[in-house]
Amino acid sequence: QKEVEQNSGPLSVPEGAIASLNCTYSDRGSQSFFWYRQYSGKSPELIMFIYSNGDKEDGRFTAQLNKASQYVSLLIRDSQPSDSATYLCALNSGYSTLTFGKGTMLLVSP
Amino acid sequence: IAGITQAPTSQILAAGRRMTLRCTQDMRHNAMYWYRQDLGLGLRLIHYSNTAGTTGKGEVPDGYSVSRANTDDFPLTLASAVPSQTSVYFCASSDPGVGANVLTFGAGSRLTVL
Repeated sequence: QKEVEQNSGPLSVPEGAIASLNCTYSDRGSQSFFWYRQYSGKSPELIMFIYSNGDKEDGRFTAQLNKASQYVSLLIRDSQPSDSATYLCALNSGYSTLTFGKGTMLLVSP
Repeated sequence: IAGITQAPTSQILAAGRRMTLRCTQDMRHNAMYWYRQDLGLGLRLIHYSNTAGTTGKGEVPDGYSVSRANTDDFPLTLASAVPSQTSVYFCASSDPGVGANVLTFGAGSRLTVL
């Protein structure tokens, strides 16, 4: 059983700050990692994915992967109140299936 | 608008009743999935299908069945609902053979079993 661990939060940051969301996983064979955002009462939507060790940037978002330490993180720069949501970490657990963490709630205060 | 349609949006059901949650996608994705989401437990995979005609069991398949007669439709059936099946159910689809296996989710079906 592949496990994905996230701190449930809430993580509270002021507007304009950097939010850092972390995720650890148990299976060293995992190859692909995903970050989804889920607003309350809505469905998850993809923010970004990462395959390779290192950083991947997309606008205000940066995903970081360290396979040796088995963690993946998401940095959100210049956090906005509209970023307040639950962030789900996921990884490939087979040919097509994804295993999700329980999510971290982020609260950005104006 | 391309995407996934789930029905019903919300349903209250008596225990012991049979219920089918419908899911249709128009993106011609090969793979489809059913997840349930419960407070404190996150998203858990119930069943999946990598292509029409095939299905597989996920983490929590007991009490649920699925079929995949064609590419577009992937219904989830609760043969005899129990209160522990009260949850929000999300259908998703993806194209695993094309780049990253990005899942696209439907809006969800909220099911309450009394």
